Amino acid sequence: NAGVMQNPRHLVRRRGQEARLRCSPMKGHSHVYWYRQLPEEGLKFMVYLQKENIIDESGMPKERFSAEFPKEGPSILRIQQVVRGDSAAYFCASSPDRGFNYGYTFGSGTRLTVV
Amino acid sequence: DQQVKQNSPSLSVQEGRISILNCDYTNSMFDYFLWYKKYPAEGPTFLISISSIKDKNEDGRFTVFLNKSAKHLSLHIVPSQPGDSAVYFCACGGSNYKLTFGKGTLLTVNP
Repeated sequence: NAGVMQNPRHLVRRRGQEARLRCSPMKGHSHVYWYRQLPEEGLKFMVYLQKENIIDESGMPKERFSAEFPKEGPSILRIQQVVRGDSAAYFCASSPDRGFNYGYTFGSGTRLTVV
Repeated sequence: DQQVKQNSPSLSVQEGRISILNCDYTNSMFDYFLWYKKYPAEGPTFLISISSIKDKNEDGRFTVFLNKSAKHLSLHIVPSQPGDSAVYFCACGGSNYKLTFGKGTLLTVNP
């Protein structure tokens, strides 16, 4: 019974390149949430998706960031033209229903380093 | 503007003693409160939660207390064990799905 799977665990990109982070939710979970943790900070909400729908992207930077959760396959967080300030840990969480009443299940995260 | 504050970046406790981690929030719309535990290079793991209709919730060695009038919650771990050494995040939520996290407190339990 696998948990939330994120890959890659570590990703190094040069400034200006694209980063693609993948998240496979727990089996039976159709709600996915992305959070970002900058160094020395707490996790901050980025986006909430259901299958084929973006429900809330209010935490996403206005430019260069996009997310999707297709009918088949993992959820993808895409960062175009990365800059040093994008270096952070990106965590994905999933839940069977909307909300967090029993606590989200988080993946192990992708640590993005921009050089 | 930090809506959720964990004012102690770190806490050191002897094994067997009580660990008390504190969290303050400012948004009166928060009505659900959670604690997560995080080891290095891993994702946060849900520990315990409490809704605003309660003032205490207990699960084994872990108890969360909520003081709504003071907008304060705390996590008590009794007795503390070396395996409890981790970063503890307080998280607060409203009527939707978003969680607002504090910056975390690094707990070190010394044998």
